[in-house]
Amino acid sequence: QSALTQPPSASGSPGQSVTISCTGSSSDVGGYNYVSWYQQHPGKAPKVMIYEVSKRPSGVPDRFSGSKSGNTASLTVSGLQAEDEADYYCSSYAGSNNVLFGGGTKLTVL
Amino acid sequence: EVQLVQSGAEVKKPGESLKISCKGSGDSFTNSWIAWVRQMPGKGPEWMGVFWPADSDVRYSPSFQGQVTLSGDKSINTIYLQWSSLKASDTAMYYCARQPSRGRLDPWGQGTLVTVSS
Repeated sequence: QSALTQPPSASGSPGQSVTISCTGSSSDVGGYNYVSWYQQHPGKAPKVMIYEVSKRPSGVPDRFSGSKSGNTASLTVSGLQAEDEADYYCSSYAGSNNVLFGGGTKLTVL
Repeated sequence: EVQLVQSGAEVKKPGESLKISCKGSGDSFTNSWIAWVRQMPGKGPEWMGVFWPADSDVRYSPSFQGQVTLSGDKSINTIYLQWSSLKASDTAMYYCARQPSRGRLDPWGQGTLVTVSS
């Protein structure tokens, strides 16, 4: 199965909002409400920011939100801050105990 | 809350075997699915498979079935990722992570860097 498709880069100025897309198929993103988003700073392990499409783990700022429409999921970061600059990866359950990841989006805070 | 600590970096030659570990703390470790994730340099993560320490149930990603072996020892709260014959293409960072629901990985271990080079 192919990885999920994300734009390689996204950017925004402090205080602005940015949305990152994640496109899959009806066999993964479109078929299950098990989309997660991960933030990864250089040299660090990924950290879950959103799970089950739109749920936020405790401790994650409410500036981070998730949604899904059809085969495409989205992560929106509102009120951009310098510390939001990182790589972001989406993932989706794909059936048969398989999980797919996207190729990642590098978010730059201008 | 589960915390995961992985074994240290490894440098191996092609054809050698390797077993890396992930030790969990916390009461819920034994009854948590623990996944392994590969991240090659500059690439996105790849889910390899998942292990249930309580009864050693294992589920592999189709992409990694037959390439690696997941195992564990619940008496010491440790799970393992093993290769019988490494290839240069196995060079990557490997993470373990608790998988409390489908597709959700939280928390992650700190990662184990595996370098395979002649």
